[in-house]
Amino acid sequence: EAGVAQSPRYKIIEKRQSVAFWCNPISGHATLYWYQQILGQGPKLLIQFQNNGVVDDSQLPKDRFSAERLKGVDSTLKIQPAKLEDSAVYLCASSPGTNTLQFFGPGTRLTVL
Amino acid sequence: AQKITQTQPGMFVQEKEAVTLDCTYDTSDPSYGLFWYKQPSSGEMIFLIYQGSYDQQNATEGRYSLNFQKARKSANLVISASQLGDSAMYFCAGGNEKLTFGTGTRLTIIP
Repeated sequence: EAGVAQSPRYKIIEKRQSVAFWCNPISGHATLYWYQQILGQGPKLLIQFQNNGVVDDSQLPKDRFSAERLKGVDSTLKIQPAKLEDSAVYLCASSPGTNTLQFFGPGTRLTVL
Repeated sequence: AQKITQTQPGMFVQEKEAVTLDCTYDTSDPSYGLFWYKQPSSGEMIFLIYQGSYDQQNATEGRYSLNFQKARKSANLVISASQLGDSAMYFCAGGNEKLTFGTGTRLTIIP
């Protein structure tokens, strides 16, 4: 069974530029999560989708971050414009439903210069 | 609010020895799950073990076991017979639908 796929694995941009990350969850998993992991910290949930609907986006900085999950499968996370403090690893995770084990992708390491 | 505390930023352990990684949690939710994940340098989070707050027995998965003490709100990970491949960051996480992570412990196994 294929795991959670993410791309790109690495991205370097300058501040004020925009960037997008892509996530393909495990087939059949209804719930998808995006986490931000700043160096030296644990992952912090940004947004949770159940199928193509948002369950929780309370920690998402909505002035610059957006996410969508069209058709309830793949998801994209966008930052526009990026700030220096957005430098982090962005992890995508999926689970069969809510309240079940989450499986993580390899992450995208973003560096904002 | 939920909080996960890992007080050991780093640990060095001799190969083949056992190691205990500490984790305490703070929540008012009586139905609470505790998870341990391993994060090698490659970056992915690998699930190791899970303990439900209502589980009567401590969870075990191969060389991993969870020392769960509900009264102390602790869920320490025990790795027996450590191997060089165990060198990684280890994160404790708690919750049900939404996970809260600790700050992690960097474990280094010395040959």
